[in-house]
Amino acid sequence: AQKVTQAQTEISVVEKEDVTLDCVYETRDTTYYLFWYKQPPSGELVFLIRRNSFDEQNEISGRYSWNFQKSTSSFNFTITASQVVDSAVYFCALSLPSGNTGKLIFGQGTTLQVKP
Amino acid sequence: KAGVTQTPRYLIKTRGQQVTLSCSPISGHRSVSWYQQTPGQGLQFLFEYFSETQRNKGNFPGRFSGRQFSNSRSEMNVSTLELGDSALYLCATRGGRGHTEAFFGQGTRLTVV
Repeated sequence: AQKVTQAQTEISVVEKEDVTLDCVYETRDTTYYLFWYKQPPSGELVFLIRRNSFDEQNEISGRYSWNFQKSTSSFNFTITASQVVDSAVYFCALSLPSGNTGKLIFGQGTTLQVKP
Repeated sequence: KAGVTQTPRYLIKTRGQQVTLSCSPISGHRSVSWYQQTPGQGLQFLFEYFSETQRNKGNFPGRFSGRQFSNSRSEMNVSTLELGDSALYLCATRGGRGHTEAFFGQGTRLTVV
Protein backbone atom coordinates (compact mmCIF):
# COMPACT_ATOMS: atom_id res chain seq x y z
CA ALA A 1 0.00 0.00 0.00
CA GLN A 2 1.10 3.53 -0.65
CA LYS A 3 0.88 6.12 2.06
CA VAL A 4 2.20 9.56 2.99
CA THR A 5 2.45 10.64 6.60
CA GLN A 6 2.89 14.18 7.82
CA ALA A 7 3.03 13.74 11.56
CA GLN A 8 3.01 17.44 12.37
CA THR A 9 -0.55 18.71 12.23
CA GLU A 10 0.21 22.30 13.18
CA ILE A 11 3.41 24.27 13.66
CA SER A 12 3.65 27.79 14.98
CA VAL A 13 6.85 29.83 14.74
CA VAL A 14 7.88 33.43 15.05
CA GLU A 15 9.02 35.25 11.96
CA LYS A 16 12.68 34.66 10.99
CA GLU A 17 12.79 31.27 12.69
CA ASP A 18 13.73 28.24 10.61
CA VAL A 19 11.12 25.49 10.39
CA THR A 20 11.19 21.94 9.05
CA LEU A 21 8.12 20.09 7.85
CA ASP A 22 8.40 16.32 7.96
CA CYS A 23 7.15 13.86 5.36
CA VAL A 24 7.46 10.08 5.45
CA TYR A 25 6.21 7.95 2.59
CA GLU A 26 5.53 4.26 2.04
CA THR A 27 5.66 2.41 -1.26
CA ARG A 28 7.06 -0.86 -2.56
CA ASP A 29 7.67 0.63 -5.98
CA THR A 30 11.24 1.50 -6.84
CA THR A 31 10.18 4.29 -9.18
CA TYR A 32 8.04 7.03 -7.73
CA TYR A 33 7.73 10.79 -7.52
CA LEU A 34 7.43 13.05 -4.51
CA PHE A 35 5.93 16.53 -4.41
CA TRP A 36 5.38 19.39 -2.03
CA TYR A 37 2.44 21.74 -2.42
CA LYS A 38 1.43 24.86 -0.53
CA GLN A 39 -2.22 25.72 0.06
CA PRO A 40 -2.83 29.36 1.01
CA PRO A 41 -6.24 30.48 2.33
CA SER A 42 -7.42 31.11 -1.23
CA GLY A 43 -7.64 27.35 -1.71
CA GLU A 44 -5.58 26.38 -4.71
CA LEU A 45 -2.57 24.13 -4.23
CA VAL A 46 0.64 25.75 -5.38
CA PHE A 47 3.37 23.45 -6.68
CA LEU A 48 6.71 23.81 -4.89
CA ILE A 49 8.92 20.89 -5.92
CA ARG A 50 8.99 17.46 -7.58
CA ARG A 51 11.58 14.76 -6.95
CA ASN A 52 11.91 11.34 -8.59
CA SER A 53 13.10 8.32 -6.66
CA PHE A 54 16.43 8.18 -8.49
CA ASP A 55 17.46 11.67 -7.57
CA GLU A 56 18.49 11.97 -3.95
CA GLN A 57 20.20 15.30 -4.33
CA ASN A 58 19.03 17.88 -1.87
CA GLU A 59 17.68 21.05 -3.39
CA ILE A 60 17.70 24.66 -2.32
CA SER A 61 15.51 27.36 -3.81
CA GLY A 62 15.84 30.68 -2.08
CA ARG A 63 14.63 30.21 1.50
CA TYR A 64 13.28 26.75 0.73
CA SER A 65 15.27 23.52 0.87
CA TRP A 66 14.36 19.85 0.59
CA ASN A 67 16.10 16.83 2.06
CA PHE A 68 15.25 13.53 0.32
CA GLN A 69 16.50 10.37 2.04
CA LYS A 70 15.46 7.03 0.58
CA SER A 71 17.05 5.16 3.49
CA THR A 72 14.47 6.63 5.85
CA SER A 73 11.71 7.16 3.23
CA SER A 74 11.61 10.82 4.09
CA PHE A 75 11.28 13.99 2.07
CA ASN A 76 11.52 16.89 4.50
CA PHE A 77 11.02 20.54 3.69
CA THR A 78 12.80 23.40 5.46
CA ILE A 79 11.93 27.08 5.34
CA THR A 80 14.79 29.30 6.43
CA ALA A 81 14.06 32.68 8.01
CA SER A 82 10.31 32.18 7.84
CA GLN A 83 8.02 35.03 6.91
CA VAL A 84 4.36 35.73 7.64
CA VAL A 85 3.56 35.05 3.97
CA ASP A 86 4.74 31.47 4.47
CA SER A 87 1.66 30.82 6.62
CA ALA A 88 -0.33 28.13 4.81
CA VAL A 89 -1.07 24.42 4.78
CA TYR A 90 1.73 22.37 3.25
CA PHE A 91 1.14 18.99 1.64
CA CYS A 92 3.56 16.27 0.74
CA ALA A 93 2.39 13.91 -2.01
CA LEU A 94 3.43 10.68 -3.71
CA SER A 95 2.82 9.63 -7.31
CA LEU A 96 3.48 6.24 -8.91
CA PRO A 97 4.10 5.67 -12.61
CA SER A 98 2.22 2.36 -12.84
CA GLY A 99 -0.80 2.84 -15.06
CA ASN A 100 0.75 6.06 -16.28
CA THR A 101 -1.69 8.15 -14.27
CA GLY A 102 -1.14 11.33 -12.39
CA LYS A 103 -2.90 10.28 -9.21
CA LEU A 104 -1.43 12.02 -6.19
CA ILE A 105 -1.52 10.44 -2.75
CA PHE A 106 -1.43 13.24 -0.22
CA GLY A 107 -0.40 13.42 3.39
CA GLN A 108 -2.78 15.03 5.85
CA GLY A 109 -1.01 18.35 5.60
CA THR A 110 0.84 20.54 8.06
CA THR A 111 -0.59 23.93 8.96
CA LEU A 112 2.21 26.42 9.39
CA GLN A 113 1.53 29.65 11.22
CA VAL A 114 4.24 32.28 11.16
CA LYS A 115 3.66 35.04 13.67
CA PRO A 116 5.15 38.52 13.25
CA LYS B 1 -1.09 31.96 -19.67
CA ALA B 2 -4.42 31.45 -17.90
CA GLY B 3 -4.46 29.06 -14.97
CA VAL B 4 -6.89 26.32 -14.11
CA THR B 5 -10.41 27.70 -13.85
CA GLN B 6 -13.08 26.08 -11.76
CA THR B 7 -16.70 27.15 -11.70
CA PRO B 8 -18.64 27.89 -9.69
CA ARG B 9 -16.49 28.89 -6.72
CA TYR B 10 -19.22 28.37 -4.17
CA LEU B 11 -22.36 26.26 -4.22
CA ILE B 12 -25.08 25.45 -1.72
CA LYS B 13 -27.31 22.48 -2.45
CA THR B 14 -29.95 20.51 -0.62
CA ARG B 15 -29.68 16.84 0.25
CA GLY B 16 -30.90 14.66 -2.58
CA GLN B 17 -30.12 17.17 -5.32
CA GLN B 18 -27.43 16.72 -7.90
CA VAL B 19 -24.61 19.07 -8.84
CA THR B 20 -22.22 19.60 -11.73
CA LEU B 21 -18.83 21.24 -11.31
CA SER B 22 -16.67 22.47 -14.16
CA CYS B 23 -12.93 22.65 -14.72
CA SER B 24 -11.15 24.39 -17.60
CA PRO B 25 -7.50 23.30 -17.80
CA ILE B 26 -4.45 25.30 -18.73
CA SER B 27 -4.22 25.55 -22.49
CA GLY B 28 -2.52 22.44 -23.87
CA HIS B 29 -3.08 20.34 -20.76
CA ARG B 30 -4.92 17.11 -21.55
CA SER B 31 -4.89 15.44 -18.15
CA VAL B 32 -7.52 16.53 -15.65
CA SER B 33 -7.84 15.07 -12.16
CA TRP B 34 -10.39 15.75 -9.45
CA TYR B 35 -9.84 15.70 -5.71
CA GLN B 36 -12.14 16.05 -2.72
CA GLN B 37 -10.82 17.87 0.33
CA THR B 38 -12.52 17.56 3.72
CA PRO B 39 -11.23 18.29 7.24
CA GLY B 40 -11.65 14.65 8.25
CA GLN B 41 -10.38 12.78 5.20
CA GLY B 42 -7.97 15.31 3.76
CA LEU B 43 -7.28 15.32 0.03
CA GLN B 44 -8.64 12.28 -1.76
CA PHE B 45 -8.36 11.39 -5.42
CA LEU B 46 -11.66 11.07 -7.27
CA PHE B 47 -10.72 10.35 -10.89
CA GLU B 48 -8.47 11.35 -13.77
CA TYR B 49 -9.30 11.94 -17.41
CA PHE B 50 -6.93 12.05 -20.33
CA SER B 51 -8.05 12.64 -23.91
CA GLU B 52 -11.70 12.12 -22.93
CA THR B 53 -11.03 8.74 -21.31
CA GLN B 54 -11.14 7.98 -17.61
CA ARG B 55 -7.67 6.73 -16.77
CA ASN B 56 -8.00 6.11 -13.05
CA LYS B 57 -10.69 6.19 -10.40
CA GLY B 58 -10.55 6.61 -6.65
CA ASN B 59 -12.59 4.84 -4.03
CA PHE B 60 -15.81 6.82 -4.22
CA PRO B 61 -19.40 5.63 -4.75
CA GLY B 62 -20.99 5.63 -8.17
CA ARG B 63 -22.83 8.85 -7.32
CA PHE B 64 -19.59 10.60 -8.26
CA SER B 65 -18.97 10.68 -11.99
CA GLY B 66 -17.09 12.77 -14.48
CA ARG B 67 -16.38 13.36 -18.09
CA GLN B 68 -13.98 15.20 -20.32
CA PHE B 69 -14.74 17.00 -23.54
CA SER B 70 -12.69 17.21 -26.72
CA ASN B 71 -11.32 20.61 -25.64
CA SER B 72 -10.05 18.96 -22.41
CA ARG B 73 -12.56 20.77 -20.22
CA SER B 74 -13.92 18.46 -17.57
CA GLU B 75 -17.04 18.22 -15.49
CA MET B 76 -17.77 16.19 -12.42
CA ASN B 77 -21.24 15.33 -11.26
CA VAL B 78 -22.49 14.24 -7.89
CA SER B 79 -26.01 12.82 -7.74
CA THR B 80 -28.26 12.34 -4.72
CA LEU B 81 -26.19 14.65 -2.57
CA GLU B 82 -25.50 13.73 1.05
CA LEU B 83 -24.39 15.98 3.89
CA GLY B 84 -21.01 14.26 3.82
CA ASP B 85 -20.41 15.46 0.28
CA SER B 86 -19.79 18.96 1.63
CA ALA B 87 -16.20 19.65 0.69
CA LEU B 88 -13.77 21.64 -1.40
CA TYR B 89 -13.51 20.01 -4.82
CA LEU B 90 -10.22 20.67 -6.54
CA CYS B 91 -9.32 20.14 -10.15
CA ALA B 92 -5.73 19.58 -11.24
CA THR B 93 -4.33 19.56 -14.75
CA ARG B 94 -1.07 18.32 -16.20
CA GLY B 95 0.60 18.87 -19.51
CA GLY B 96 2.46 15.63 -20.08
CA ARG B 97 1.96 11.90 -19.92
CA GLY B 98 4.66 11.53 -17.32
CA HIS B 99 4.72 12.71 -13.78
CA THR B 100 5.02 16.37 -14.33
CA GLU B 101 3.67 18.65 -11.68
CA ALA B 102 -0.08 19.18 -11.44
CA PHE B 103 -1.53 22.68 -11.46
CA PHE B 104 -4.58 23.21 -9.32
CA GLY B 105 -7.59 25.46 -9.58
CA GLN B 106 -8.98 27.39 -6.62
CA GLY B 107 -11.68 24.80 -6.13
CA THR B 108 -15.43 24.72 -5.74
CA ARG B 109 -16.68 24.90 -2.19
CA LEU B 110 -19.81 22.72 -2.04
CA THR B 111 -22.09 22.90 0.97
CA VAL B 112 -24.92 20.40 1.27
CA VAL B 113 -27.71 21.38 3.67
